[in-house]
Amino acid sequence: KNEVEQSPQNLTAQEGEFITINCSYSVGISALHWLQQHPGGGIVSLFMLSSGKKKHGRLIATINIQEKHSSLHITASHPRDSAVYICAVFSGGGADGLTFGKGTHLIIQP
Amino acid sequence: DVKVTQSSRYLVKRTGEKVFLECVQDMDHENMFWYRQDPGLGLRLIYFSYDVKMKEKGDIPEGYSVSREKKERFSLILESASTNQTSMYLCASSLSGNQPQHFGDGTRLSIL
Repeated sequence: KNEVEQSPQNLTAQEGEFITINCSYSVGISALHWLQQHPGGGIVSLFMLSSGKKKHGRLIATINIQEKHSSLHITASHPRDSAVYICAVFSGGGADGLTFGKGTHLIIQP
Repeated sequence: DVKVTQSSRYLVKRTGEKVFLECVQDMDHENMFWYRQDPGLGLRLIYFSYDVKMKEKGDIPEGYSVSREKKERFSLILESASTNQTSMYLCASSLSGNQPQHFGDGTRLSIL
């Protein structure tokens, strides 16, 4: 089974700072997902990517397949970005082929 | 937009009770999943289903069972609740294995 490591585990930053969250995995994958979980529980999918880079508003996700590494960047961070960010990788196989990282708890202070 | 609805946001039960957590999705997805989420451990897969009446064990199935009698509904059953099953339970659905999973809001279950 794939091993997914996220760093940092916890991150506190000031409003406006550029944020980077990292995700590394041990086995080749066909897709990587970045998820966001706000206090209270609900999880939403931010990105699914298998190569290159995707951008949505102030969020940018990149992946380097050779290095088995992905980053999630937040530009001009805002307190409403405070959440847990979770990386998940799909290594193929059946429906249960998704492996989750433990998450990065981000707090943006005003 | 896909909607995944879990029957309760908060639930308190007693040790030894049989507990049912219900999940309904409205997008005709083949796959449905039950996870539990605990601090420091992340999301762990309990059971999943890839079709009606089909179920597969995930990483931590002990103490749980599931039922999928209709495509849109996936139920998690705690046969005899124990305090170590106090957790956040999340249901999800997806169209196929490598597609994004759509999550419900979660049920925070406390077993006293």
